[in-house]
Amino acid sequence: AQTVTQSQPEMSVQEAETVTLSCTYDTSESDYYLFWYKQPPSRQMILVIRQEAYKQQNATENRFSVNFQKAAKSFSLKISDSQLGDAAMYFCAYRSLEEETSGSRLTFGEGTQLTVNP
Amino acid sequence: DTGVSQDPRHKITKRGQNVTFRCDPISEHNRLYWYRQTLGQGPEFLTYFQNEAQLEKSRLLSDRFSAERPKGSFSTLEIQRTEQGDSAMYLCASSFQSGSPLHFGNGTRLTVT
Repeated sequence: AQTVTQSQPEMSVQEAETVTLSCTYDTSESDYYLFWYKQPPSRQMILVIRQEAYKQQNATENRFSVNFQKAAKSFSLKISDSQLGDAAMYFCAYRSLEEETSGSRLTFGEGTQLTVNP
Repeated sequence: DTGVSQDPRHKITKRGQNVTFRCDPISEHNRLYWYRQTLGQGPEFLTYFQNEAQLEKSRLLSDRFSAERPKGSFSTLEIQRTEQGDSAMYLCASSFQSGSPLHFGNGTRLTVT
């Protein structure tokens, strides 16, 4: 079974600064997807960014980018030019490509609570 | 399309009572998921439907839990004889096809007293 670990329960950043959230995972599979989801106090889980394991290029979405280290099984999220609206719980998630066994379900980490200070 | 809708948003019930939650996925999505999230934790997978077929159930889903998606559209999650340990946020998500991202609803927060 796959596991996802987020070792930072809480992080804080000054507005306009850059912050990196860490995530490691354990799997025996070679192909899979990794995600970062954001859950603000309004609690709807929102997809931030997605990475396919077979792609060597790190995914980017505007101010959000990842550092995907497949050999190290590490998948960190970098938020540049942090904004007050970035404050939320961030979850790293893993999804197998093995449809028959996993049905596209996600395995989540414990989350990192990000505070953005004005 | 307003996204995944869940009802109710909050439910307070006494131990031993039955509760039912509803999820309306995004209309063209054929895959529907239920997750449970306790305070300070990430969501945990409960069950998954493709159209009306329930294809996978987690070991977390005890015999007191049952989920249905009778016409391949909305889904219900029922908890019978609720226990205090059932208190959690119940999240529903849907997706269009294999490889598509999951879209989550706002969740139903259950409190069992």
